[in-house]
Amino acid sequence: GNSVTQMEGPVTLSEEAFLTINCTYTATGYPSLFWYVQYPGEGLQLLLKATKADDKGSNKGFEATYRKETTSFHLEKGSVQVSDSAVYFCALSDPGWGFKTIFGAGTRLFVKA
Amino acid sequence: GAVVSQHPSWVICKSGTSVKIECRSLDFQATTMFWYRQFPKQSLMLMATSNEGSKATYEQGVEKDKFLINHASLTLSTLTVTSAHPEDSSFYICSAGGASGEQYFGPGTRLTVT
Repeated sequence: GNSVTQMEGPVTLSEEAFLTINCTYTATGYPSLFWYVQYPGEGLQLLLKATKADDKGSNKGFEATYRKETTSFHLEKGSVQVSDSAVYFCALSDPGWGFKTIFGAGTRLFVKA
Repeated sequence: GAVVSQHPSWVICKSGTSVKIECRSLDFQATTMFWYRQFPKQSLMLMATSNEGSKATYEQGVEKDKFLINHASLTLSTLTVTSAHPEDSSFYICSAGGASGEQYFGPGTRLTVT
């Protein structure tokens, strides 16, 4: 079946540090991959997406590349800010499943000033 | 991105009563909406998939008679928690599906059953 595994948190970084949050997936079909972010006290927001292999999603300085050969979709940012503190969810959506979305467990990021 | 609203954002009810939560897509027509529960510091658990004009599809382990879902129009889906009990206290989140499988989430509804 389909599943998503992402690195456990929390991750604590200093401002301007480099961020990587690992995400790997298993899927029987050809899923689309997503990163969602949940800021404290708020709902989830779509951060970026990639719909096919080798696509790179990017938004707000965050990037992730859909790697079919390693079944990965790692999230990166070159220089984090305090305002990036949030929980990040990796997810996949399979058109063969009616676009039901499978979420990873979430990774909490704390950025210190 | 698309905007999804939920109402109410926070509700307290007594055990045994029913609560209705509304989910609206404000700027697009959503053929499919999804309902989730989120426990503190945990990921989202899909409860059901709601398709406009048809019965909802519930995930295994979710009681369809307890969590009634209605998707009467392309912009509105409702979740009714019937005969609520304290264990139903949770954060309920809806989302509307986009064309590429992305989802647009509502801000969530915190339900507390006393």
